[in-house]
Amino acid sequence: DTAVSQTPKYLVTQMGNDKSIKCEQNLGHDTMYWYKQDSKKFLKIMFSYNNKELIINETVPNRFSPKSPDKAHLNLHINSLELGDSAVYFCASSQDIPSGSTDTQYFGPGTRLTVL
Amino acid sequence: GESVGLHLPTLSVQEGDNSIINCAYSNSASDYFIWYKQESGKGPQFIIDIRSNMDKRQGQRVTVLLNKTVKHLSLQIAATQPGDSAVYFCAETGSSNTGKLIFGQGTTLQVKP
Repeated sequence: DTAVSQTPKYLVTQMGNDKSIKCEQNLGHDTMYWYKQDSKKFLKIMFSYNNKELIINETVPNRFSPKSPDKAHLNLHINSLELGDSAVYFCASSQDIPSGSTDTQYFGPGTRLTVL
Repeated sequence: GESVGLHLPTLSVQEGDNSIINCAYSNSASDYFIWYKQESGKGPQFIIDIRSNMDKRQGQRVTVLLNKTVKHLSLQIAATQPGDSAVYFCAETGSSNTGKLIFGQGTTLQVKP
Protein backbone atom coordinates (compact mmCIF):
# COMPACT_ATOMS: atom_id res chain seq x y z
CA ASP A 1 0.00 0.00 0.00
CA THR A 2 2.16 2.80 -1.40
CA ALA A 3 1.60 6.17 0.24
CA VAL A 4 2.53 8.36 -2.74
CA SER A 5 2.51 6.67 -6.11
CA GLN A 6 3.41 7.92 -9.57
CA THR A 7 2.87 6.57 -13.05
CA PRO A 8 4.68 5.88 -15.21
CA LYS A 9 8.05 5.18 -13.58
CA TYR A 10 9.85 5.65 -16.89
CA LEU A 11 8.78 7.77 -19.83
CA VAL A 12 10.73 7.99 -23.07
CA THR A 13 9.37 10.26 -25.78
CA GLN A 14 10.27 12.40 -28.75
CA MET A 15 10.71 16.16 -28.75
CA GLY A 16 7.50 18.01 -29.44
CA ASN A 17 5.22 15.39 -27.92
CA ASP A 18 2.73 16.01 -25.11
CA LYS A 19 2.83 13.73 -22.08
CA SER A 20 1.28 13.41 -18.64
CA ILE A 21 2.55 12.05 -15.33
CA LYS A 22 0.05 10.99 -12.70
CA CYS A 23 0.36 11.14 -8.94
CA GLU A 24 -1.87 9.79 -6.21
CA GLN A 25 -1.54 9.83 -2.45
CA ASN A 26 -3.55 7.73 -0.02
CA LEU A 27 -2.38 9.52 3.11
CA GLY A 28 -5.33 11.86 3.32
CA HIS A 29 -3.02 14.84 2.92
CA ASP A 30 -4.25 18.27 1.88
CA THR A 31 -1.20 19.47 -0.03
CA MET A 32 0.60 17.97 -3.01
CA TYR A 33 3.74 19.06 -4.83
CA TRP A 34 5.73 18.49 -8.00
CA TYR A 35 9.52 18.64 -7.94
CA LYS A 36 12.09 18.32 -10.72
CA GLN A 37 15.46 16.65 -10.10
CA ASP A 38 18.12 17.31 -12.70
CA SER A 39 21.08 15.18 -13.71
CA LYS A 40 23.14 16.65 -10.86
CA LYS A 41 20.52 15.52 -8.35
CA PHE A 42 19.39 19.07 -7.66
CA LEU A 43 15.75 19.08 -6.45
CA LYS A 44 13.60 22.10 -7.17
CA ILE A 45 9.95 22.67 -6.50
CA MET A 46 7.68 23.39 -9.46
CA PHE A 47 4.13 23.53 -8.13
CA SER A 48 2.02 22.84 -5.08
CA TYR A 49 -1.70 22.49 -4.57
CA ASN A 50 -3.66 22.69 -1.35
CA ASN A 51 -7.15 21.23 -1.51
CA LYS A 52 -7.12 21.56 -5.30
CA GLU A 53 -5.99 25.20 -5.15
CA LEU A 54 -2.68 26.29 -6.69
CA ILE A 55 -0.38 27.60 -3.95
CA ILE A 56 3.12 27.54 -5.40
CA ASN A 57 3.92 28.18 -9.04
CA GLU A 58 7.64 28.60 -9.51
CA THR A 59 9.17 29.97 -12.68
CA VAL A 60 8.18 27.06 -14.86
CA PRO A 61 7.44 27.26 -18.60
CA ASN A 62 3.78 27.47 -19.54
CA ARG A 63 4.21 24.12 -21.27
CA PHE A 64 3.93 22.58 -17.78
CA SER A 65 0.40 22.49 -16.41
CA PRO A 66 -0.58 20.77 -13.17
CA LYS A 67 -4.09 19.50 -12.72
CA SER A 68 -5.69 18.45 -9.46
CA PRO A 69 -9.01 16.65 -9.99
CA ASP A 70 -9.29 16.04 -6.24
CA LYS A 71 -7.01 16.48 -3.26
CA ALA A 72 -5.65 12.93 -3.58
CA HIS A 73 -4.41 13.45 -7.13
CA LEU A 74 -2.05 15.90 -8.77
CA ASN A 75 -1.16 15.26 -12.39
CA LEU A 76 1.47 17.01 -14.45
CA HIS A 77 0.91 17.62 -18.13
CA ILE A 78 3.75 18.73 -20.34
CA ASN A 79 3.23 20.13 -23.83
CA SER A 80 5.77 20.33 -26.65
CA LEU A 81 8.46 18.43 -24.79
CA GLU A 82 12.03 19.70 -25.11
CA LEU A 83 15.39 18.02 -24.54
CA GLY A 84 15.90 20.10 -21.40
CA ASP A 85 12.79 18.61 -19.84
CA SER A 86 14.64 15.33 -19.35
CA ALA A 87 14.83 14.80 -15.60
CA VAL A 88 13.27 12.86 -12.76
CA TYR A 89 9.97 14.31 -11.60
CA PHE A 90 8.84 13.69 -8.03
CA CYS A 91 5.43 14.12 -6.56
CA ALA A 92 5.12 14.73 -2.81
CA SER A 93 2.38 15.37 -0.29
CA SER A 94 2.02 16.83 3.19
CA GLN A 95 -0.75 17.15 5.72
CA ASP A 96 -1.11 20.88 5.35
CA ILE A 97 0.89 23.90 4.28
CA PRO A 98 3.71 23.77 6.80
CA SER A 99 3.61 27.44 7.70
CA GLY A 100 5.79 27.14 10.76
CA SER A 101 4.47 23.65 11.45
CA THR A 102 6.34 20.41 11.07
CA ASP A 103 4.29 18.82 8.33
CA THR A 104 6.70 16.55 6.56
CA GLN A 105 6.59 16.13 2.81
CA TYR A 106 6.44 12.52 1.65
CA PHE A 107 7.80 11.78 -1.78
CA GLY A 108 6.76 9.37 -4.49
CA PRO A 109 9.21 7.06 -6.28
CA GLY A 110 9.73 9.45 -9.19
CA THR A 111 9.18 9.39 -12.93
CA ARG A 112 12.27 9.43 -15.11
CA LEU A 113 11.45 11.40 -18.24
CA THR A 114 13.78 11.11 -21.22
CA VAL A 115 13.19 13.34 -24.22
CA LEU A 116 14.93 12.25 -27.42
CA GLY B 1 18.54 34.80 -3.17
CA GLU B 2 18.05 31.88 -0.89
CA SER B 3 20.35 28.93 -1.16
CA VAL B 4 21.22 25.83 0.70
CA GLY B 5 24.60 24.25 0.25
CA LEU B 6 26.47 21.23 1.44
CA HIS B 7 30.16 21.28 2.13
CA LEU B 8 31.14 18.02 0.49
CA PRO B 9 29.59 16.27 -2.51
CA THR B 10 30.87 12.86 -1.40
CA LEU B 11 31.66 11.37 2.00
CA SER B 12 33.26 7.98 2.33
CA VAL B 13 33.25 6.24 5.74
CA GLN B 14 34.08 2.84 7.12
CA GLU B 15 31.22 0.65 8.30
CA GLY B 16 30.70 1.15 12.02
CA ASP B 17 32.16 4.65 12.09
CA ASN B 18 30.10 7.76 12.71
CA SER B 19 29.21 10.01 9.76
CA ILE B 20 28.72 13.75 9.81
CA ILE B 21 27.10 15.46 6.86
CA ASN B 22 27.09 19.25 6.83
CA CYS B 23 24.84 21.85 5.30
CA ALA B 24 24.96 25.66 5.20
CA TYR B 25 21.90 27.79 4.56
CA SER B 26 21.61 31.45 3.68
CA ASN B 27 18.19 32.56 4.95
CA SER B 28 18.21 33.49 8.62
CA ALA B 29 14.37 33.60 8.53
CA SER B 30 14.09 29.85 7.90
CA ASP B 31 12.30 28.18 10.78
CA TYR B 32 12.12 24.56 9.71
CA PHE B 33 14.82 22.23 8.45
CA ILE B 34 14.68 18.66 7.21
CA TRP B 35 17.10 15.94 6.25
CA TYR B 36 16.15 13.52 3.49
CA LYS B 37 17.83 10.33 2.32
CA GLN B 38 17.59 9.29 -1.31
CA GLU B 39 18.60 5.81 -2.35
CA SER B 40 19.34 5.02 -5.97
CA GLY B 41 16.17 4.91 -8.07
CA LYS B 42 13.92 6.02 -5.22
CA GLY B 43 12.32 9.19 -3.96
CA PRO B 44 13.68 11.22 -1.04
CA GLN B 45 12.81 9.68 2.30
CA PHE B 46 12.31 11.75 5.45
CA ILE B 47 14.96 11.15 8.12
CA ILE B 48 14.64 13.85 10.74
CA ASP B 49 13.58 17.47 11.09
CA ILE B 50 14.25 20.34 13.44
CA ARG B 51 12.66 23.69 14.11
CA SER B 52 14.56 26.90 14.63
CA ASN B 53 13.70 27.05 18.33
CA MET B 54 15.83 23.94 18.91
CA ASP B 55 19.54 23.28 18.43
CA LYS B 56 19.56 19.52 18.62
CA ARG B 57 17.20 16.68 17.91
CA GLN B 58 17.82 12.96 18.10
CA GLY B 59 16.27 10.06 16.31
CA GLN B 60 17.22 6.45 15.94
CA ARG B 61 20.99 6.52 15.21
CA VAL B 62 20.64 10.03 13.77
CA THR B 63 21.11 13.44 15.32
CA VAL B 64 20.51 16.80 13.72
CA LEU B 65 22.33 19.86 15.00
CA LEU B 66 21.31 23.40 14.15
CA ASN B 67 23.60 26.39 14.65
CA LYS B 68 21.61 29.48 13.79
CA THR B 69 24.49 31.82 14.54
CA VAL B 70 26.50 30.53 11.61
CA LYS B 71 23.51 29.15 9.70
CA HIS B 72 24.77 25.62 9.75
CA LEU B 73 22.97 22.30 9.92
CA SER B 74 24.49 18.88 10.34
CA LEU B 75 23.33 15.29 10.31
CA GLN B 76 25.18 12.77 12.40
CA ILE B 77 24.71 9.07 11.75
CA ALA B 78 26.00 6.74 14.45
CA ALA B 79 27.52 3.36 13.62
CA THR B 80 27.11 3.82 9.88
CA GLN B 81 25.85 0.75 8.05
CA PRO B 82 25.98 -0.25 4.36
CA GLY B 83 22.25 0.50 4.15
CA ASP B 84 23.01 4.11 4.96
CA SER B 85 24.69 4.52 1.56
CA ALA B 86 22.62 7.10 -0.27
CA VAL B 87 22.45 10.77 -1.21
CA TYR B 88 21.52 13.02 1.73
CA PHE B 89 19.77 16.34 1.26
CA CYS B 90 19.13 19.11 3.69
CA ALA B 91 16.15 21.35 3.04
CA GLU B 92 14.77 24.53 4.59
CA THR B 93 11.53 26.43 4.36
CA GLY B 94 13.21 29.76 3.64
CA SER B 95 11.19 32.91 4.20
CA SER B 96 8.05 31.46 2.65
CA ASN B 97 5.07 30.03 4.54
CA THR B 98 3.71 28.24 1.51
CA GLY B 99 5.34 24.91 2.22
CA LYS B 100 8.08 25.50 -0.31
CA LEU B 101 11.23 23.55 0.56
CA ILE B 102 14.61 24.71 -0.68
CA PHE B 103 16.94 21.77 -1.13
CA GLY B 104 20.70 21.64 -0.95
CA GLN B 105 22.81 19.94 -3.57
CA GLY B 106 23.16 16.63 -1.78
CA THR B 107 26.02 14.64 -0.27
CA THR B 108 26.65 11.11 -1.43
CA LEU B 109 27.51 8.88 1.53
CA GLN B 110 29.54 5.79 0.65
CA VAL B 111 29.94 3.16 3.34
CA LYS B 112 32.92 0.86 2.95
CA PRO B 113 32.54 -2.64 4.42
